[in-house]
Amino acid sequence: AQKVTQAQTEISVVEKEDVTLDCVYETRDTTYYLFWYKQPPSGELVFLIRRNSFDEQNEISGRYSWNFQKSTSSLNFTITASQVVDSAVYFCALSGLYSGGSNYKLTFGKGTLLTVNP
Amino acid sequence: DTEVTQTPKHLVMGMTNKKSLKCEQHMGHRAMYWYKQKAKKPPELMFVYSYEKLSINESVPSRFSPECPNSSLLNLHLHALQPEDSALYLCASSPSVGNYGYTFGSGTRLTVV
Repeated sequence: AQKVTQAQTEISVVEKEDVTLDCVYETRDTTYYLFWYKQPPSGELVFLIRRNSFDEQNEISGRYSWNFQKSTSSLNFTITASQVVDSAVYFCALSGLYSGGSNYKLTFGKGTLLTVNP
Repeated sequence: DTEVTQTPKHLVMGMTNKKSLKCEQHMGHRAMYWYKQKAKKPPELMFVYSYEKLSINESVPSRFSPECPNSSLLNLHLHALQPEDSALYLCASSPSVGNYGYTFGSGTRLTVV
């Protein structure tokens, strides 16, 4: 069975603050993929990052960075110098490669609502 | 074209109506998906199509009927829905099942009255 936990239900920050969103996962697969998606009020799920289980290098993309710690089963997401446009629900998701044939399925966490206030 | 287009964006239907949701992609993806998302919840998988064939049905009630007429198009036919079926319906595609380059559409917000 796969499980994704986003313990932070809601986070509120003031513009220009840094903010970290936590994601902890459980899987029996040795090969798996982790994702972060952003969902603004318009509803579309916007892909942010995909990491595979063999690549523990951290990644930076502009103001976004991701810290993958396989030892703690976590892929945390940091937004540096947050902006009002970053306000959205952020989902972490997991897909296993050989988990009983469910490699087609994204298992989502419950999401974290980030509000960035001006 | 790197988009998944869903129409309509909003739909209100009565419990006795029949309606259809449409999803289109022109990225050459051969896997397409329907997800259902209730308010303040994560998306939940409903159906998976692979090479225009239904490969996964996540125990979805028969009042939801998917159809994949060709490799670019995915429909979801709705009949005799209940108010609890009101949700955001998201379509996604990927190059193949198990290839994890998922692209999501912006969804259809369905309200059943």
